Amino acid sequence: NAGVTQTPKFQVLKTGQSMTLQCAQDMNHEYMSWYRQDPGMGLRLIHYSVGAGITDQGEVPNGYNVSRSTTEDFPLRLLSAAPSQTSVYFCASSYSSPATGYGYTFGSGTRLTVV
Amino acid sequence: DAKTTQPPSMDCAEGRAANLPCNHSTISGNEYVYWYRQIHSQGPQYIIHGLKNNETNEMASLIITEDRKSSTLILPHATLRDTAVYYCIVVKAAGNKLTFGGGTRVLVKP
Repeated sequence: NAGVTQTPKFQVLKTGQSMTLQCAQDMNHEYMSWYRQDPGMGLRLIHYSVGAGITDQGEVPNGYNVSRSTTEDFPLRLLSAAPSQTSVYFCASSYSSPATGYGYTFGSGTRLTVV
Repeated sequence: DAKTTQPPSMDCAEGRAANLPCNHSTISGNEYVYWYRQIHSQGPQYIIHGLKNNETNEMASLIITEDRKSSTLILPHATLRDTAVYYCIVVKAAGNKLTFGGGTRVLVKP
């Protein structure tokens, strides 16, 4: 049981490049979310999903796209990377609402630098 | 979801109890209080949650005031490994998302 797996762990992008951050969970969780955490700051919600085929925007969705074609995977796509997107990105999942039971299980993060 | 207010930082001595306060004066009847912690650079980790009763698990205790406007997370015997940022979050029952605030940076000192 791997939990929430994020790849890659580290990435350096040039301004204007696009890329996809991968998130996979093997716990049959319905709810998944993406957060970003800037240095010394708290986590901010980018996008979330309550099940396959259903996604919605969080606090800071601009510049990011998501899709949820399967229960297991929730990739985050950066359309045209900007230095302001330099951050640590965390993916999280929960069996049902994060307001039930043990809440979210988080991945170990992807550290992204945009130069 | 109701907003929360936490002190930005606090120190505590190793082996002593750490009491972390959280104010959530606008909480409504169907909102839970959740606590997570984030140890340096790692993903946040669930600690405990409650609605109105006090709760205890192997990690911590959660004390919620009778009017539910504030709560305290208690780490009974703090260790150096408890050094982390602790987040108090209020979320509607069956809510779709968690919103994190600034949290309390706890430093456990020998």
